[in-house]
Amino acid sequence: AQSVTQLGSHVSVSEGALVLLRCNYSSSVPPYLFWYVQYPNQGLQLLLKYTTGATLVKGINGFEAEFKKSETSFHLTKPSAHMSDAAEYFCAVSVREAGTALIFGKGTTLSVSS
Amino acid sequence: EPEVTQTPSHQVTQMGQEVILRCVPISNHLYFYWYRQILGQKVEFLVSFYNNEISEKSEIFDDQFSVERPDGSNFTLKIRSTKLEDSAMYFCASSGGAGGASSYEQYFGPGTRLTVT
Repeated sequence: AQSVTQLGSHVSVSEGALVLLRCNYSSSVPPYLFWYVQYPNQGLQLLLKYTTGATLVKGINGFEAEFKKSETSFHLTKPSAHMSDAAEYFCAVSVREAGTALIFGKGTTLSVSS
Repeated sequence: EPEVTQTPSHQVTQMGQEVILRCVPISNHLYFYWYRQILGQKVEFLVSFYNNEISEKSEIFDDQFSVERPDGSNFTLKIRSTKLEDSAMYFCASSGGAGGASSYEQYFGPGTRLTVT
């Protein structure tokens, strides 16, 4: 079985500060890992994904995440927060097979203050 | 840019009524999914669909739920007899089938908010 734990249901940063959203996963098989963002009253938008290869992956809007197998982590970072980054962020895991379920964490709400 | 669309955006129904939520996946995708998000909770997988049959379903997806691809573009979720606890945001998603990374990237629609009274 797979699971995802997102530490911190709410993270607040100042504009220009580092953003760090934490995600730890559990998987009995090598996983695929994803970060999605949800803006108010919108659907889920794929930010970035790790499948194979380079463990540091870059996504849209300046976000990146690093897959650390030894720590079973896939934390999301952005060097400098922007007001428009305020949203809810979900980490998700799946097995390496097309058409299988994404298992989501509970989400982290990011607030950015000026 | 291709996107997943869902209708209606908001559906209000009375307990015991049947509802059909509609989705138009991205046109060249082969895998289709339904998820739900109860207010304040995490997004939960309901079902996946491939080659005109269910490929995986969760414990939530019991006999009151069904899915169908009635034509070449629509993908529907039917709830036969709605309960209060079915109130949630329902998301449709689709992913490619040509192999490689695109098979695993699920693209989500904006959701249908279902309110059961």
